[in-house]
Amino acid sequence: NAGVTQTPKFQVLKTGQSMTLQCAQDMNHNSMYWYRQDPGMGLRLIYYSASEGTTDKGEVPNGYNVSRLNKREFSLRLESAAPSQTSVYFCASSPLAYTDTQYFGPGTRLTVL
Amino acid sequence: KQEVTQIPAALSVPEGENLVLNCSFTDSAIYNLQWFRQDPGKGLTSLLLIQSSQREQTSGRLNASLDKSSGRSTLYIAASQPGDSATYLCAVSGAGSYQLTFGKGTKLSVIP
Repeated sequence: NAGVTQTPKFQVLKTGQSMTLQCAQDMNHNSMYWYRQDPGMGLRLIYYSASEGTTDKGEVPNGYNVSRLNKREFSLRLESAAPSQTSVYFCASSPLAYTDTQYFGPGTRLTVL
Repeated sequence: KQEVTQIPAALSVPEGENLVLNCSFTDSAIYNLQWFRQDPGKGLTSLLLIQSSQREQTSGRLNASLDKSSGRSTLYIAASQPGDSATYLCAVSGAGSYQLTFGKGTKLSVIP
């Protein structure tokens, strides 16, 4: 039981490049989330998926897209990376939605030059 | 808009001390409040979740209280140990909202 896994762990991009961050959970959770964590800003929700087949914007969705590929997987795509997207990205999941504890992955540290 | 504040931003205590971490939030219409622990370079680990109808939750040496009307929560750590050194984050979810609003955390150092 691996919990929430994220790939890659580290990534360096040049401005304008694109990439997809992958997230998978093996706990049969319905809801999944993407956060970014920046010094002095705390964690902020980018997108979430309350259940398979649905996605919604969080607090800071601009510049990102998401796909809930199936119940297990939730990916985050940066179409044209910008230096402002340099951050640590965390994926999380929960059995249901706001009623439940969220379980976090180890994070992806992204640097955009 | 909900805002969550954690004071102090950093705290250093000698091993064995009991300590209290504080969390305040501006909108009392919350569904639950969660305390997380984050070790350097790692993800978040959930410590305690308090539903809005509850006053406190306990797990081992940890006790979290919630006073929804005053917009405050405390995390009490008994007999602190060096292994407790980490950043502790408080987060609230609004009624009907999927979004957790996080505080910026308290960085705790327990000195042997």
